[in-house]
Amino acid sequence: GENVEQHPSTLSVQEGDSAVIKCTYSDSASNYFPWYKQELGKRPQLIIDIRSNVGEKKDQRIAVTLNKTAKHFSLHITETQPEDSAVYFCAASNNGNQFYFGTGTSLTVIP
Amino acid sequence: GAVVSQHPSRVICKSGTSVKIECRSLDFQATTMFWYRQFPKKSLMLMATSNEGSKATYEQGVEKDKFLINHASLTLSTLTVTSAHPEDSSFYICSAREDTLAGAKNIQYFGAGTRLSVL
Repeated sequence: GENVEQHPSTLSVQEGDSAVIKCTYSDSASNYFPWYKQELGKRPQLIIDIRSNVGEKKDQRIAVTLNKTAKHFSLHITETQPEDSAVYFCAASNNGNQFYFGTGTSLTVIP
Repeated sequence: GAVVSQHPSRVICKSGTSVKIECRSLDFQATTMFWYRQFPKKSLMLMATSNEGSKATYEQGVEKDKFLINHASLTLSTLTVTSAHPEDSSFYICSAREDTLAGAKNIQYFGAGTRLSVL
């Protein structure tokens, strides 16, 4: 089955700096890669996603890149703010049939 | 946006009892729903994929007789933890994938989760 690895497990950045979280996947059949933000005690929320026919996608301060050949994808958050502090999960899916999650990154943005 | 309701949010039960958790898509239809288990400060582990009108697909290592899944309508899936034991204590989260006329959108919407504590 699919194996998703995520790094780093914890990340602290100064407010205004950028944060980058990286994931790798093993199953070449995976073609949909969402990123979720989970605040303490709350449900995961989709923040951005990318499909395998696209190499990069951007939504305001958040961007995701995908390298299908190397089987890795990354989340980039620019101009970080304290409210960006949360746990971020990447996931890989084959047409939305199953979702396999990375191990999570706890991001702390220091004011 | 799409809303998924999950109940109960918290349940405490004695060892040996069964617990049912409901997952409802409130404003959309979902042929497919997913059940996850999340340990403290850990990732979401996919337990099973629930398909309306057919048997659920369980991930390797998940006991289907222990975790019974029923998806009898396009808006409701239930997970029953049978004969629960302390090691079943965990945070269970469901999600629903919205159906569209053009096929599944791939996007899943999460419930708020159920904290199960087995004494």
